[in-house]
Amino acid sequence: SQTIHQWPATLVQPVGSPLSLECTVEGTSNPNLYWYRQAAGRGLQLLFYSIGIDQISSEVPQNLSASRPQDRQFILSSKKLLLSDSGFYLCAWSNKASTDTQYFGPGTRLTVL
Amino acid sequence: SQKIEQNSEALNIQEGKTATLTCNYTNYSPAYLQWYRQDPGRGPVFLLLIRENEKEKRKERLKVTFDTTLKQSLFHITASQPADSATYLCALARGSSASKIIFGSGTRLSIRP
Repeated sequence: SQTIHQWPATLVQPVGSPLSLECTVEGTSNPNLYWYRQAAGRGLQLLFYSIGIDQISSEVPQNLSASRPQDRQFILSSKKLLLSDSGFYLCAWSNKASTDTQYFGPGTRLTVL
Repeated sequence: SQKIEQNSEALNIQEGKTATLTCNYTNYSPAYLQWYRQDPGRGPVFLLLIRENEKEKRKERLKVTFDTTLKQSLFHITASQPADSATYLCALARGSSASKIIFGSGTRLSIRP
C-alpha cells in the first residue's frame, strides 16, 4: 500500500532563517506531487505541483521554492522565511492514471517568529 | 476566475439528524467532484468522488449528489454521530494527467450529543 511521509511534524523558525521541508511517498511510482499551505481556519492554497523529476510548476509568487530530486521525493525550501510563511504545510500525491484524488501527508506546522 | 464556495463556514446539528453540506462552483467544468474530511492538525482524507455524468453516489452513511446544471454538490451524512465532527472540503478536478484540483475552504461540522 502507499504511504506518504512528511517531516518535521512541527517547526519553529526565526524570521530570515532558511527552510527545508521534506516529503516522500512509498508504494507508488511516477506520482504527481503537490505542496499546499493552509492558514489557520482557511482553505488549502496550492503552492507547487510536479508531474516528474525536476518538473515543478509554481502556482503563486512567493519566497518559497520546490524541488523534486527523486521520483518520490518532494522538497519545499526557502532561503529567508517571512512571518507570513507561518502555516500548516501539506504534501500530497495523486496517481496520473486516475481521477486526481489527492492523498495527503500528516503535515508540518511551521511557526515563524 | 474559477470559484468554489462551501456555503456554511460552520454547521452544528443534533446527533442522529442528517447533516447536509453544500458546495457551489462557477466558471469551471469539472469531470469529477470530490469530498474530503479533515480533522484538526491532520491532512485531509478522501471520502467520495462523483463523476460529471453521475447524479448520486453513496457510501455507508454518506451520500453525494452532483448537479452540473446548478453547478452544485450536496454532501449528506445520515444518522450523524459526534465522531463525524470535522471539517469537510469539496474539491473539483478535470482528471487530466497534469491537472490540479481546486479545494473549497471547508465547512466545520459539529455533532452535539
